[in-house]
Amino acid sequence: AQSVAQPEDQVKVAEGNPLTVKCTYSVSGNPYLFWYVQYPNRGLQFLLKYITGDNLVKGSYGFEAEFNKSQTSFHLKKPSALVSDSALYFCAVLYGNNRLAFGKGNQVVVIP
Amino acid sequence: EAGVAQSPRYKIIEKRQSVAFWCNPISGHATLYWYQQILGQGPKLLIQFQNNGVVDDSQLPKDRFSAERLKGVDSTLKIQPAKLEDSAVYLCASSLDTGRSYEQYFGPGTRLTVT
Repeated sequence: AQSVAQPEDQVKVAEGNPLTVKCTYSVSGNPYLFWYVQYPNRGLQFLLKYITGDNLVKGSYGFEAEFNKSQTSFHLKKPSALVSDSALYFCAVLYGNNRLAFGKGNQVVVIP
Repeated sequence: EAGVAQSPRYKIIEKRQSVAFWCNPISGHATLYWYQQILGQGPKLLIQFQNNGVVDDSQLPKDRFSAERLKGVDSTLKIQPAKLEDSAVYLCASSLDTGRSYEQYFGPGTRLTVT
């Protein structure tokens, strides 16, 4: 069965420092992977996806993610975090007929 | 381009009452999804429609939840009767076409509190 694990509950970084949010996946076949961000009282916003091609995927707001097949990981990264990046981040994997299975989410806190 | 619209944004009801949520997807999006997001968890798919047909409702508690998308555009999700454990945010999402585009676009959600 497909699943996504986001092992950390909260990620705290100082503004200007690199940000990494971890995700590992389990799915049969080729993985289609996504990152979404959720701000308070808002729906989820699409950040980026990996379908095929380069292992480093660039997305919105300066975020990127690295697909690593051997480690079954798809970590989200940002070189220099902003206070406005504080939000809830979800990793997801596509399965079946275009359905998404989400991880539990990571709360990112960027300290000024 | 207008996003996914949902109403109401907030709803408080007592257990055993009924409630309905409405969703209008992005124009032209054939596929519509309803998710349940319980506090501290990721969204869980309840039902997926393609046009006006149900593709997957395997995780919908059918004894109390129902959903329809009669004309293949907007959709309604109903809970009757509600239980305390139904307190959650109900998210609607839509996508352009299951064969070409994989991104799902989410509405702001309806926060349901059952007391």
